[in-house]
Amino acid sequence: GAVVSQHPSWVICKSGTSVKIECRSLDFQATTMFWYRQFPKQSLMLMATSNEGSKATYEQGVEKDKFLINHASLTLSTLTVTSAHPEDSSFYICSASRLAGGTGEDTQYFGPGTRLTVL
Amino acid sequence: QKEVEQDPGPLSVPEGAIVSLNCTYSNSAFQYFMWYRQYSRKGPELLMYTYSSGNKEDGRFTAQVDKSSKYISLFIRDSQPSDSATYLCAMRDYGNKLVFGAGTILRVKS
Repeated sequence: GAVVSQHPSWVICKSGTSVKIECRSLDFQATTMFWYRQFPKQSLMLMATSNEGSKATYEQGVEKDKFLINHASLTLSTLTVTSAHPEDSSFYICSASRLAGGTGEDTQYFGPGTRLTVL
Repeated sequence: QKEVEQDPGPLSVPEGAIVSLNCTYSNSAFQYFMWYRQYSRKGPELLMYTYSSGNKEDGRFTAQVDKSSKYISLFIRDSQPSDSATYLCAMRDYGNKLVFGAGTILRVKS
């Protein structure tokens, strides 16, 4: 259980185009989904937190208009990188969390990641 | 000072060795502690999840949390080449935002 998928696994695009990345929780309903960015040999950097049906909360320094997040249902969140540039090239990872039996414990399960290369 | 400190390694051990991975933290509000394993070009995989202080064992893996010292550990017994990966510690308070360590690269040589 607790499987999170991402699509696509990798994408190459031209500078100035927009790219959409999907994140799905396959066997559970995700109360919250998170989007991270990871540069080579570095740890994960949280970009934003989203709850189903509400606006995403972005971390300081992350451009809301550039990284559009839509959390349309309890199993799907999308990240759209608008007008992508080479500096946006990175590994983007989503995670999803669920409440465990109402105890307050809430663990994040990660997707496999999407490697974005902007030419 | 970072909230979570983790030695990036790399840590190289022979097959069959006991591996000890550690993180220290500064925020006494952290209550939930996790260890994730990440293979190259893959997403992190949850290995261990612990609430508050104490030990937790799962197969070859043992997680320890010492809140008084603000120190957590992951032990891997009978290490295998397939354990070679980056190990990330992560923790949070009663909110849902995780704070990650830098990750330790582990190499198990056969």
